[in-house]
Amino acid sequence: KAGVTQTPRYLIKTRGQQVTLSCSPISGHRSVSWYQQTPGQGLQFLFEYFSETQRNKGNFPGRFSGRQFSNSRSEMNVSTLELGDSALYLCASSSNVQNTEAFFGQGTRLTVV
Amino acid sequence: GIQVEQSPPDLILQEGANSTLRCNFSDSVNNLQWFHQNPWGQLINLFYIPSGTKQNGRLSATTVATERYSLLYISSSQTTDSGVYFCAVLYSSASKIIFGSGTRLSIRP
Repeated sequence: KAGVTQTPRYLIKTRGQQVTLSCSPISGHRSVSWYQQTPGQGLQFLFEYFSETQRNKGNFPGRFSGRQFSNSRSEMNVSTLELGDSALYLCASSSNVQNTEAFFGQGTRLTVV
Repeated sequence: GIQVEQSPPDLILQEGANSTLRCNFSDSVNNLQWFHQNPWGQLINLFYIPSGTKQNGRLSATTVATERYSLLYISSSQTTDSGVYFCAVLYSSASKIIFGSGTRLSIRP
């Protein structure tokens, strides 16, 4: 079956703009979580959704938001982009992240200039 | 919050050598995974191993949950094994994966 699909793969944006990233989980998986990876901070948790409900949120400013649709696809949005938002954004798909194996997409590499 | 520590941070080996990567975690966990991050950034699943021992070809992993550590063994290393290896845990009723800082493995021909 198909893996986790993230779109777009690469993105270049200007400071102050906003961006929307998409994640389509493995068919049948209801949990989608998002992570930011930067050289200085490593892999950090952004938020997790299960059946359209946000169950947990990381320590990120309110400019970072997300949602999940009824088909389990998820989007994350970053408004008023800052240079420090440049990172690799990864999403994970699982049946239920609390107790099952998670699978990651290829990531979206965002560059803010 | 839970802490995940990986060691060593960097490891340089000759092709054919064996290696052991360690992951220590500070609290009881109900989910532990090992990943290999490829040069393009994707996290490749190696093992889902909350406890016990698993093997997959040249790779094997052991998690001793009661002592709060996991080990990843790579035997007969190949240059394609190079990259960053992450240990990731999830505990209790939390809904987030906590990653260690990774071990960067470099295999020289």
